[in-house]
Amino acid sequence: EAGVAQSPRYKIIEKRQSVAFWCNPISGHATLYWYQQILGQGPKLLIQFQNNGVVDDSQLPKDRFSAERLKGVDSTLKIQPAKLEDSAVYLCASSLGGTDRGGYTFGSGTRLTVV
Amino acid sequence: GDSVTQMEGPVTLSEEAFLTINCTYTATGYPSLFWYVQYPGEGLQLLLKATKADDKGSNKGFEATYRKETTSFHLEKGSVQVSDSAVYFCALSVWGNKLVFGAGTILRVKS
Repeated sequence: EAGVAQSPRYKIIEKRQSVAFWCNPISGHATLYWYQQILGQGPKLLIQFQNNGVVDDSQLPKDRFSAERLKGVDSTLKIQPAKLEDSAVYLCASSLGGTDRGGYTFGSGTRLTVV
Repeated sequence: GDSVTQMEGPVTLSEEAFLTINCTYTATGYPSLFWYVQYPGEGLQLLLKATKADDKGSNKGFEATYRKETTSFHLEKGSVQVSDSAVYFCALSVWGNKLVFGAGTILRVKS
């Protein structure tokens, strides 16, 4: 089966600019996650969708970050305006969700550099 | 809340040495436990997992046993290779929900 697709692979922007990342999960996976991985740290959950509804966005900096999954399939994560501390790898993952105990698949990530 | 603590690195070993990377967890429910590996320049890959107490996950010579009494899931390998050099993340999820990761441990294997 095809994996989790993410684009772009790399992005360099200046602070205060905006940026958007795209994710297409594995077909049939109801749950989609966006993680932020800062260099030298473990991934941190930003937002979790179940179909097109938000399950957990408690760690999403809502003043600058937004995400949507309009049709319950692919998703977009946006940062506006970007700060230097947003430099990180943004990982998308998907799973069947519910009682599926461990079927997570990660994309290759988007490496964002804010200068 | 749920959390994972793993030993700090980097861990530097010679080829064929024995590897242990310690991982302990705190969870509000009954978690599933995972080890993920990230090779240089690549994405996260599932290395192994265990879903209930006393289960042993294994893959590519790596093993980890779910110890509920000590809330631990230590990663072991009997003989490491240079190709095992990577960052290893311990993680948990409760009821198939979000993954919570540790900070990661860098492993460097020298020939």
